[in-house]
Amino acid sequence: DVKVTQSSRYLVKRTGEKVFLECVQDMDHENMFWYRQDPGLGLRLIYFSYDVKMKEKGDIPEGYSVSREKKERFSLILESASTNQTSMYLCASIQGTYNEQFFGPGTRLTVL
Amino acid sequence: AQKITQTQPGMFVQEKEAVTLDCTYDTSDPSYGLFWYKQPSSGEMIFLIYQGSYDQQNATEGRYSLNFQKARKSANLVISASQLGDSAMYFCAMRGVQGAQKLVFGQGTRLTINP
Repeated sequence: DVKVTQSSRYLVKRTGEKVFLECVQDMDHENMFWYRQDPGLGLRLIYFSYDVKMKEKGDIPEGYSVSREKKERFSLILESASTNQTSMYLCASIQGTYNEQFFGPGTRLTVL
Repeated sequence: AQKITQTQPGMFVQEKEAVTLDCTYDTSDPSYGLFWYKQPSSGEMIFLIYQGSYDQQNATEGRYSLNFQKARKSANLVISASQLGDSAMYFCAMRGVQGAQKLVFGQGTRLTINP
């Protein structure tokens, strides 16, 4: 079975903290994605990566950065967490052109 | 730019009835793919069905079928014989030709199946 794992299901952080969300896939996929999900807005793409050390901004990159040092791992970084970054964060990966994205279980982040 | 619109924030259906979840899209890409995902309360996104823009037939996967009307730019999900376990959020998504296979999602529809 294909698998995408995320480091935490629930996370509570303070405003101003640096936050790391980790995502690991075991499928040797080239492309990896970070989305955030908010009620009424669906999923919005934050960043994606199509290769090791390669990254591109998605639709809402402000306040976030990413790191991909190894093919299987894609990290989302909140340099200085703010309350408006309270959200559900979903990682996904894909291999090939016409395949579905595989998603991790999500991390529900609360910033106080 | 690509856009997905789901106009039904919530739907309530009796068990065993069929249900149609609406999805309309907008794109200028000549080739694209349309997806439906299910998200139960546990949070994980479950892939349900895929339709390619050049596919001649509507996609089907078990109780799920995709009513693809290209001229109307609609890709509605039909669930036959609904079950209590179908209660979840449902997302329609689209992928265009460019952009590392990234998906654009709709706002989602929360489906509740009543016994």
